[in-house]
Amino acid sequence: SQTIHQWPATLVQPVGSPLSLECTVEGTSNPNLYWYRQAAGRGLQLLFYSIGIGQISSEVPQNLSASRPQDRQFILSSKKLLLSDSGFYLCAWSSGTYNEQFFGPGTRLTVL
Amino acid sequence: GDSVTQMEGPVTLSEEAFLTINCTYTATGYPSLFWYVQYPGEGLQLLLKATKADDKGSNKGFEATYRKETTSFHLEKGSVQVSDSAVYFCALSGGNFNKFYFGSGTKLNVKP
Repeated sequence: SQTIHQWPATLVQPVGSPLSLECTVEGTSNPNLYWYRQAAGRGLQLLFYSIGIGQISSEVPQNLSASRPQDRQFILSSKKLLLSDSGFYLCAWSSGTYNEQFFGPGTRLTVL
Repeated sequence: GDSVTQMEGPVTLSEEAFLTINCTYTATGYPSLFWYVQYPGEGLQLLLKATKADDKGSNKGFEATYRKETTSFHLEKGSVQVSDSAVYFCALSGGNFNKFYFGSGTKLNVKP
């Protein structure tokens, strides 16, 4: 069966520090991968999606970036965090089109 | 473009009450429709889905019918329990790289 992992589960970082969040998927090949951010009490904002290694599409211009160094690994990064980067970051995967997305457990990021 | 609109929350019900959470969508093609549930501090879990018009998705006593004529996918449950307290998201898959469009979420509080 397929599983999706995210780490760390929680993170507290100072403003201006770098960020690296990792997401890995097991049990499937060539998944579509997605990064979302959820602000407190709000809906989901799609940040990036990827349909293959090295293929990243950005939905929202900001100081975040994403990379996909391996087929089932998706990394969210920042060189310098802003206060507004605080939130709950969710990674998801899907196969094909019109199919459900499966979500990881999320990373709670607090920028102080 | 594609979008999803769902009713504002929070919705507060007593145990065993009937639940309806309204969801309407706008889509250019023939999307698949989904309901997800999010418990506090967790990722999203797929609750049910429907892939074509007049399909009914169901799971754990929840139901939703894909109504193309009214572009709706309302979530219903005949008798809610305290354990159903969570945030519910309606979503559609537009087929373009399986990008999802989520509603803003509806928080459900069920009181004993």
